[in-house]
Amino acid sequence: SYELAQPPSLSVSPGQTASISCSGQTLGDKYVCWYQQRPGQSPVLIIFENNKRPSWSPARFSGSKSGNTATLTITGTQALDEADYYCQAWDTGTSVLFGGGTKLTVL
Amino acid sequence: EVQLLQSGPEVKEPGESLKISCQGSGYVFTSYWIGWVRQMPGKGLEWMGIIYPGDSDTTYNPSFQGQVTISADKSLDTAYLHWSSLKASDTAIYYCARRSWERDSSGYYYHLDIWGKGTTVTVSS
Repeated sequence: SYELAQPPSLSVSPGQTASISCSGQTLGDKYVCWYQQRPGQSPVLIIFENNKRPSWSPARFSGSKSGNTATLTITGTQALDEADYYCQAWDTGTSVLFGGGTKLTVL
Repeated sequence: EVQLLQSGPEVKEPGESLKISCQGSGYVFTSYWIGWVRQMPGKGLEWMGIIYPGDSDTTYNPSFQGQVTISADKSLDTAYLHWSSLKASDTAIYYCARRSWERDSSGYYYHLDIWGKGTTVTVSS
């Protein structure tokens, strides 16, 4: 079983805001990363250290964390954002926790 | 361009051995840890373990300890994932990913910034 809990699915209309949560008892003192995985593709880092975006991640993606819950927010969701989203934290420097993933549908 | 090039798809029978590879390019391969991630059909991401190619220091997820071997050849800028005896339940896509880091006064913070395209392994009789 996963130690980081995500909702299995979420639906959003184009142009609306999507918020995906990630909760875990040990998240309070950890930084959280988020990955996007489009169908048939490998995961792509979109948020690291709770709220930083790598250069390739569009500005509509943002992250936040409060206590033991992290949130990925997509503002102005587009059809191409339809994908699976995974949160991730480091248990130690070499041990990773993944959330179970959230399937985002844009309809 | 920084990238991780993974070996091609494999179809094997139960009991066979297999080694898949992940070659880094565009950066100093020996300076970054490489992790391996499993994705079973229709399922989420599972952490398998990680290796530092500079000295082959390796850490395994306990769930995968003894089931696979992670290794690296720094002269080839390549990391490997090896099975000595495959099972049908090993059918999955296997990704390698580079662990990058940021640092501040409080310590180091990590993320998996570069991923390979994945190697599909099918084990079937």
